[in-house]
Amino acid sequence: NAGVTQTPKFQVLKTGQSMTLQCAQDMNHEYMSWYRQDPGMGLRLIHYSVGAGITDQGEVPNGYNVSRSTTEDFPLRLLSAAPSQTSVYFCASSEGQGYRNEQFFGPGTRLTVL
Amino acid sequence: EDKVVQSPLSLVVHEGDTVTLNCSYEVTNFRSLLWYKQEKKAPTFLFMLTSSGIEKKSGRLSSILDKKELFSILNITATQTGDSAVYLCAVNTAYNTDKLIFGTGTRLQVFP
Repeated sequence: NAGVTQTPKFQVLKTGQSMTLQCAQDMNHEYMSWYRQDPGMGLRLIHYSVGAGITDQGEVPNGYNVSRSTTEDFPLRLLSAAPSQTSVYFCASSEGQGYRNEQFFGPGTRLTVL
Repeated sequence: EDKVVQSPLSLVVHEGDTVTLNCSYEVTNFRSLLWYKQEKKAPTFLFMLTSSGIEKKSGRLSSILDKKELFSILNITATQTGDSAVYLCAVNTAYNTDKLIFGTGTRLQVFP
């Protein structure tokens, strides 16, 4: 099993550009989520999904869109990048429905917006 | 508003020392509390606690939950340089999802 994979590992964008951060898992997990991590801020939840076709907002959803067309994939879209979105982004997955809660994290994407 | 607070924010010790990391929470619905270790990359799971007073232990690391006083501690005995990391505490507050609220973390540095 590859676990949770994320691409790209690094990305530099100019203000106003759009891009999609990819996340995939091969553990048949129902629950997937996106976090951003800024210095001194811990992990903040952007969006999450409890299953294919179902998504919801987390603590900091503004400027981001998600969709969940399959169990495996959960891409995060930045529609018009802003410098405030410079951060490290982590995707995570877990079995779902509060069974074990243990979330498995991908390696992260370091995004810089100029 | 649900929140998770960790203390101290940063800790510097020498190898062999014992450290205690704190996590307190104020949430509407508590389901479980989790501890993660984050070195340079992704967080890795350490413990999940759901019941008060039951210690979880793994080698030199142990953790306990107090649901009455709304806190948890993570103890590391005989610290090693490999314990240097950010330790994150998270609380699951939803009964039908695995949604987590994270604290800001405690940065532990262990020097030889």
